[in-house]
Order: sequence, then structure tokens, then C-alpha cells
Amino acid sequence: SAVISQKPSRDICQRGTSLTIQCQVDSQVTMMFWYRQQPGQSLTLIATANQGSEATYESGFVIDKFPISRPNLTFSTLTVSNMSPEDSSIYLCSVGTGFEQYFGPGTRLTVT
Amino acid sequence: GNSVTQMEGPVTLSEEAFLTINCTYTATGYPSLFWYVQYPGEGLQLLLKATKADDKGSNKGFEATYRKETTSFHLEKGSVQVSDSAVYFCALSDNYGQNFVFGPGTRLSVLP
Repeated sequence: SAVISQKPSRDICQRGTSLTIQCQVDSQVTMMFWYRQQPGQSLTLIATANQGSEATYESGFVIDKFPISRPNLTFSTLTVSNMSPEDSSIYLCSVGTGFEQYFGPGTRLTVT
Repeated sequence: GNSVTQMEGPVTLSEEAFLTINCTYTATGYPSLFWYVQYPGEGLQLLLKATKADDKGSNKGFEATYRKETTSFHLEKGSVQVSDSAVYFCALSDNYGQNFVFGPGTRLSVLP
């Protein structure tokens, strides 16, 4: 398994601003993922972030809106840019080890 | 593409009642199957898994059996507790442990 921490745990942001979410893992992992969980909904994959390569974005998500960095094997950031109230969600990072995924505690974002 | 279907919630039970949450899937190849649990205000935790047909995953009194003939992975617990109140997600990954797909989630409330 892996222990994953995220910062911040929650934030309230103004429309039009940006927020960067950090994800730290206690061991080196190749595959990291960023998900969005809208209120009362399931998880939607935003992108896959592998160290040493550009992030791969899912349909409906673009790099300009959700830039991702993956500087090493234990850390990644997701930025939510030019936020609108529709971006209010929980953002979760996860790591893939073997055939499993482990999740961080999430960042609860509210955009006003 | 691959997909996961879960029974609609919310499910409300009295303490010590028997729990079943149905999950069926559509997938090509030989997926691995998972149940994740999300307690209020937290991220997802891996509850149990099964990687091949007829495997039974179990943890904390919960069980699920990988049924290839019925493409199902139903979650069961013989006697639920108030502390089991959470949202439960059924999920699958492909042959290579990638491309996770999550079901919509089922909210369980256990009353004392």
C-alpha cells in the first residue's frame, strides 16, 4: 500500500483565481492519477501523471485549465485555473501500485 | 468500453442487519474487481479486491466473490454496524491494472 497526503485539505476560492493542490506519497511510484468528485457523484479521471512525461488528459479536461506537474516519483501538483463555481468539487490524487490504486484524503474546493 | 453498475442508494439498515450491495460489470479480457469505501469527509479506501474468477475478497467482515458467469461482484456483510455508514464504490481495472472504472457509488446508512 501507499500513504498519500494532500494539501490543502479544503479551500474556499474566488471566481477567476487559481489553486494548486499538492500530492505527496511516502514511496516512489510511477503512476499517479488526479480525479474529480463532484458533490454526490462518482469519480471522474482528470489525467494520468507519469514522471518524466507529459500528463495524459481525459476527454473533457485540458491542460490550460488543469495543468499538472510531476517533478519526481513521490510528488505531483494539480492546478485548477481560472476557477468558476462549476469547479467546486473534491479533487483526489491516487497512485497505482500493481493492480491497485490508493487514494489521498482529497481536497475539498468551493468556488464562490 | 468497460463499465460498472451498482444498485441505487441510499440503503438504510438497522444495526446488525445483513447487507448486500449489488455490482455488475461489463469488461473485455480479465479485469480485476474492487470495492472502495468513502467515509464522510475522507478519500477512498480500498476495502477488498479479487483478481480472477471465483476469487473471494474479504476485509473487516465484508466479502465479495468474483463471478465471471454473471459478471458480478456483490458486496456482503453479515451484521452491519453504525460505523459502516459510508459510500461504497465498486470498481474494475483492466488486464494490466490500469484504466480504472468506478461505479456511481451506493450510500449506506446504518441506524442504531
